[in-house]
Amino acid sequence: DSGVTQTPKHLITATGQRVTLRCSPRSGDLSVYWYQQSLDQGLQFLIQYYNGEERAKGNILERFSAQQFPDLHSELNLSSLELGDSALYFCASSVSGVSGELFFGEGSRLTVL
Amino acid sequence: AQSVAQPEDQVNVAEGNPLTVKCTYSVSGNPYLFWYVQYPNRGLQFLLKYITGDNLVKGSYGFEAEFNKSQTSFHLKKPSALVSDSALYFCAVRDERGATNKLIFGTGTLLAVQP
Repeated sequence: DSGVTQTPKHLITATGQRVTLRCSPRSGDLSVYWYQQSLDQGLQFLIQYYNGEERAKGNILERFSAQQFPDLHSELNLSSLELGDSALYFCASSVSGVSGELFFGEGSRLTVL
Repeated sequence: AQSVAQPEDQVNVAEGNPLTVKCTYSVSGNPYLFWYVQYPNRGLQFLLKYITGDNLVKGSYGFEAEFNKSQTSFHLKKPSALVSDSALYFCAVRDERGATNKLIFGTGTLLAVQP
């Protein structure tokens, strides 16, 4: 158990809908990262937050947004869903400092029908 | 831009034999390198990392990795494979740009250990 909690584990929805994925980082970790894992794209970095502020941004679509709340949990919002958004979405957290490894949650599997 | 490459989509090895999963990297500065393992329908688990120091890094579950600067490689190794080692393995490098620990991952190598 990495200590990172993601909900929901599975989500099935229809095209055009909006979903919210939630992540609770390990106790004491200030950074939260979101990654998308799909068969054709592999593991793609989406966005990072550090103590409530956006720290780095990857290839995140404009239809996607995220935030980190004062209690350090984070939410990834996916809107106007398309079939191609079906993927595993991982959240990870890390300690401060440049050498810290990332600890990943179990992921949220999104299926868009 | 920095990157890692995993040249093998799949590695097959017999149980009890040594295993190697290859990774090469491309960075402009000093690399921070990582290995992760992913079991089916699970998240990524950290195995080991190289930051600085000894080129041979020991990690979880008996895995180790050898950092080779001249060959820009960071191969994952284990002296004796177990069937339970069968999983998807990812090599990663820390992004050099900005104040972030975000990792850039390779495409993954599926390790299949036959009994």
